[in-house]
Amino acid sequence: GDSVTQMEGPVTLSEEAFLTINCTYTATGYPSLFWYVQYPGEGLQLLLKATKADDKGSNKGFEATYRKETTSFHLEKGSVQVSDSAVYFCALSDRVNKFYFGSGTKLNVKP
Amino acid sequence: EAQVTQNPRYLITVTGKKLTVTCSQNMNHEYMSWYRQDPGLGLRQIYYSMNVEVTDKGDVPEGYKVSRKEKRNFPLILESPSPNQTSLYFCASSFGLAGAYEQYFGPGTRLTVT
Repeated sequence: GDSVTQMEGPVTLSEEAFLTINCTYTATGYPSLFWYVQYPGEGLQLLLKATKADDKGSNKGFEATYRKETTSFHLEKGSVQVSDSAVYFCALSDRVNKFYFGSGTKLNVKP
Repeated sequence: EAQVTQNPRYLITVTGKKLTVTCSQNMNHEYMSWYRQDPGLGLRQIYYSMNVEVTDKGDVPEGYKVSRKEKRNFPLILESPSPNQTSLYFCASSFGLAGAYEQYFGPGTRLTVT
């Protein structure tokens, strides 16, 4: 079945460091891919998405490219801020009804 | 304000005592879904609904029931809760198909079953 695997955390970075959170997926069809962010005590919010191969999703300085050949959707940001500290979830949708989430990666950014 | 609301936010109950967690959205969304979040497992989909009276199982439906009698409401029912259903539950909604539209999440309901 469909699934998502993302790197375990926590990831601890200093402010202005470069961020990469790895995400790979397994899917039988042509899924849509997402990154969601969860701040402490809150529900998830959509960060970015890509709906087909080679699409790049971007938002708030974060980027991820849908790579069909490597079945990956890695999240990157060139310069993280303390306010980016949160849990990040990679997810896929089978384009119809179901969603599959990774286990989440906690990011801690130190001043 | 566009939002998804859940009630209660926190609930402690005992094994076997039926409970309902309510979910309501004010965005006229067709698609609604329930997830549970457990450490190390991320979010797992319990049930989803494409529209009124249309529901289907997600990845982990055992021990749960849902209903969709009105477009705005999608309650989650645990008829006989067990300790392995202790978890953080999220309701979500979107305008249409889950993969095509952004899902909006509620604030979560933390359930403890003793």
